[in-house]
Amino acid sequence: DIQMTQSPSSLSASVGDRVTITCRASQSISTYLNWYQHKPGKAPEILIYGVSNLQSGVPSRFSGSGSGTLFTLTISSLQPEDFATYYCQQSYTTPVYTFGQGTKLEI
Amino acid sequence: EVQLVESGGGLIQPGGSLRLSCTVSGFTFRSFAMSWVRQAPGKGLEWVSYIRSSGNTIRYADSVKGRFTIAADNAKNSLDLQMNSLRVEDTAVYYCARGNGSMGGAMDVWGQGTTVTVSS
Repeated sequence: DIQMTQSPSSLSASVGDRVTITCRASQSISTYLNWYQHKPGKAPEILIYGVSNLQSGVPSRFSGSGSGTLFTLTISSLQPEDFATYYCQQSYTTPVYTFGQGTKLEI
Repeated sequence: EVQLVESGGGLIQPGGSLRLSCTVSGFTFRSFAMSWVRQAPGKGLEWVSYIRSSGNTIRYADSVKGRFTIAADNAKNSLDLQMNSLRVEDTAVYYCARGNGSMGGAMDVWGQGTTVTVSS
């Protein structure tokens, strides 16, 4: 099974900061890497699919990069609504998926 | 409007059974894969089960294999998850999510979730 490891597990930042979250796969997943944002009491939302493709409606301050086993999510200038938990997910082995353990972004 | 609405959650004793449903609207159900994903209290997201009814493909996470059964009713546009032999560790918010093949399988639409509590 493919394991997904995110770092850091939690991150404190301020409005306007640039932040980067890293996701490492235990084996190559090509470009089948997706990022989700999850706020308490709400449904998770997709931000980025296929490493770097921004989902429609997602602000351009979000970006993704990487290939193979190492991937990053970058938020260029944090806004108050960005404080949430972020998950990477591999869909390389669809119909079996794996999520990272999550990165909680706090003020 | 594309929408997923889960129902059926509740409080159940260990060893009991529960059936969750996800009603789909706004898209052709049989054209997409569907998954159940859960989040236990204080934990992260965990993929639970997958179905693509058009191709008869079904998969389960090891943690629920043999206890949970996923099914799709294309006529009713609904997705079910039959959960048997429930354990305390199955306590979670359960989400249904659409898998989009044109997005490499990413889950592009999610329901609001339904809460399952397994406790004596």
